Amino acid sequence: NAGVTQTPKFRILKIGQSMTLQCTQDMNHNYMYWYRQDPGMGLKLIYYSVGAGITDKGEVPNGYNVSRSTTEDFPLRLELAAPSQTSVYFCASSYDQGNSPLHFGNGTRLTVT
Amino acid sequence: KQEVTQIPAALSVPEGENLVLNCSFTDSAIYNLQWFRQDPGKGLTSLLLIQSSQREQTSGRLNASLDKSSGRSTLYIAASQPGDSATYLCAVTSGGYQKVTFGTGTKLQVIP
Repeated sequence: NAGVTQTPKFRILKIGQSMTLQCTQDMNHNYMYWYRQDPGMGLKLIYYSVGAGITDKGEVPNGYNVSRSTTEDFPLRLELAAPSQTSVYFCASSYDQGNSPLHFGNGTRLTVT
Repeated sequence: KQEVTQIPAALSVPEGENLVLNCSFTDSAIYNLQWFRQDPGKGLTSLLLIQSSQREQTSGRLNASLDKSSGRSTLYIAASQPGDSATYLCAVTSGGYQKVTFGTGTKLQVIP
């Protein structure tokens, strides 16, 4: 059982470039999330989705975009990368929103120079 | 706005010791509280989830308690082992959109 899979594991971008972080889960979870983790800070929610075709902004959505065309996949798009987007990005999923644990992927470490 | 605090930020103990990690939150109207473990370069692994109606949850050597009225939770680790070395984070689910708010974690080192 793979759980939540994120690719790539590492990426270096130049300022202004774009990229897509991939996330897929095989647990048939409706709820999916994107977080960023910066040193000394708690995880911050970027975007979330409550099911295929439905997405909404979290705390720090600026500079990012998402789509949810299937239950399994929840890619995160960075347009015009900036140094402030240097971070570790985690994708997570859960069976429901309030009563079941979050399952996390292993993260993507992104550096923007 | 919900805020979650974990003190201390780092803790070092000798192997075999029993230890307690602390988590406090400002808004007691929560749906649940979760404790996670994070190993270096890895994602978070859920250890225990306590529903708002529960007082504690146990899994092996781990016991988590919840006191909503005081806005506190503790994670008790019995007979600590070097393999327990990791960062432990707590997170609470609260608010109209059931938002999950994370603490910044306690980095635990268990010395052999």
